[in-house]
Amino acid sequence: AQKITQTQPGMFVQEKEAVTLDCTYDTSDPSYGLFWYKQPSSGEMIFLIYQGSYDQQNATEGRYSLNFQKARKSANLVISASQLGDSAMYFCAMRDEGNKLVFGAGTILRVKS
Amino acid sequence: DTGVSQDPRHKITKRGQNVTFRCDPISEHNRLYWYRQTLGQGPEFLTYFQNEAQLEKSRLLSDRFSAERPKGSFSTLEIQRTEQGDSAMYLCASSFIQGRETQYFGPGTRLLVL
Repeated sequence: AQKITQTQPGMFVQEKEAVTLDCTYDTSDPSYGLFWYKQPSSGEMIFLIYQGSYDQQNATEGRYSLNFQKARKSANLVISASQLGDSAMYFCAMRDEGNKLVFGAGTILRVKS
Repeated sequence: DTGVSQDPRHKITKRGQNVTFRCDPISEHNRLYWYRQTLGQGPEFLTYFQNEAQLEKSRLLSDRFSAERPKGSFSTLEIQRTEQGDSAMYLCASSFIQGRETQYFGPGTRLLVL
């Protein structure tokens, strides 16, 4: 069964600095997709970035990039130039063979001014 | 292009009552998912539909839970005889069956069972 592990319950980052949120995964399926979502206090899950298991390059979306290390089964999210509005809960998720998403426990990020 | 919408946004009910939530997916999306999220946890899968067919149900979905998507558009999730343990955020997501199939989420329905 697929499993997602996020080992950082909470992180602090200074405004305008970069921060890395960790995510490791476990699957025996050679084809999989990895997602990162942001959940502000309002509760809505906002899609940030996607990485496919066969993608040759690390995904990037604006200030978000994914450090994908397939052999280590890690898919860390890097947020550059942090902004106060980045303060939220961040979830790493994997799509399994049944199409549902399996989520990690999340990391709370607080951006300090 | 409107996003996923859910109604109501908040629901307070007494133990033993029935509640029903509605989800309207993004219009061209043919897959619709329901997840439940308790405080401090990531969302957990409940069930999903492809068009009107319910293709998978989690073991979390007890007999008191039922979901429908009668015309392949909106979906409803009903909880009968609610229990305090049902208190959670209920999230709906939709996707298009092609490519990466990114799931886009609605704002959720927060349920509190007293």
